Amino acid sequence: ILTQSPDTLSLSPGERATLSCRASQSVMTYLAWYQQKPGQAPRLLIYDTSSRATGIPDRFSGSGSGTDFTLTISNLEPEDFAVYYCQQRSNWPPTYSFGQGTKLEIK
Amino acid sequence: QVRLVESGGGVVQPGTSLTLSCVASGRSFSYGMHWVRQAPGKGLEWVAVIWYDGSNTYYGDSVKGRFTISRDNSKNTLYLQMNSLRVDDTAIYFCARDQESNYFDPWGQGTLVTVSS
Repeated sequence: ILTQSPDTLSLSPGERATLSCRASQSVMTYLAWYQQKPGQAPRLLIYDTSSRATGIPDRFSGSGSGTDFTLTISNLEPEDFAVYYCQQRSNWPPTYSFGQGTKLEIK
Repeated sequence: QVRLVESGGGVVQPGTSLTLSCVASGRSFSYGMHWVRQAPGKGLEWVAVIWYDGSNTYYGDSVKGRFTISRDNSKNTLYLQMNSLRVDDTAIYFCARDQESNYFDPWGQGTLVTVSS
């Protein structure tokens, strides 16, 4: 089970966003983050805890280990306001779960 | 870059069946594939995965025994056969490519399934 906090984060463009994801048991480093904008499919941002997916700006960074993970977005741009999900895979059998999401909204 | 296009969604009654399709662009379809769904206004829920060759499939608890994931590699197409549909199966269904057996990238645009009497 993945629990994200906060549920909603209100910030202004130019500020730094810190989103948290806590796992009920260790997921090692197999943790990903996705961004979803209204009416669109999710997009992979970060995989293996801290690796940026292709084309993702370097203002997005991921960190953490074990059960506690963080997505940081520095210098927020207007297009960054969206819902963010963390995701992990269980070892065996392979099943996958998402956090409930954090909505990043413009203050 | 792989492009995924889902189809087959619609409005159906509880207890009936529906099959979704997802067509992948590109010459090679030799990778694992997932279905992920999202109920209206809710978060993401993983549904099922199939290995690149169809040799293994795994399901989320809420669909196990009712849904079947399959693929036809000669047609670059992924399927989701959904039986005994329930109102709470109402969602946008996305297909997504498996990455390194851990992640989903890219995703299709989704197809809406509405189960209602």
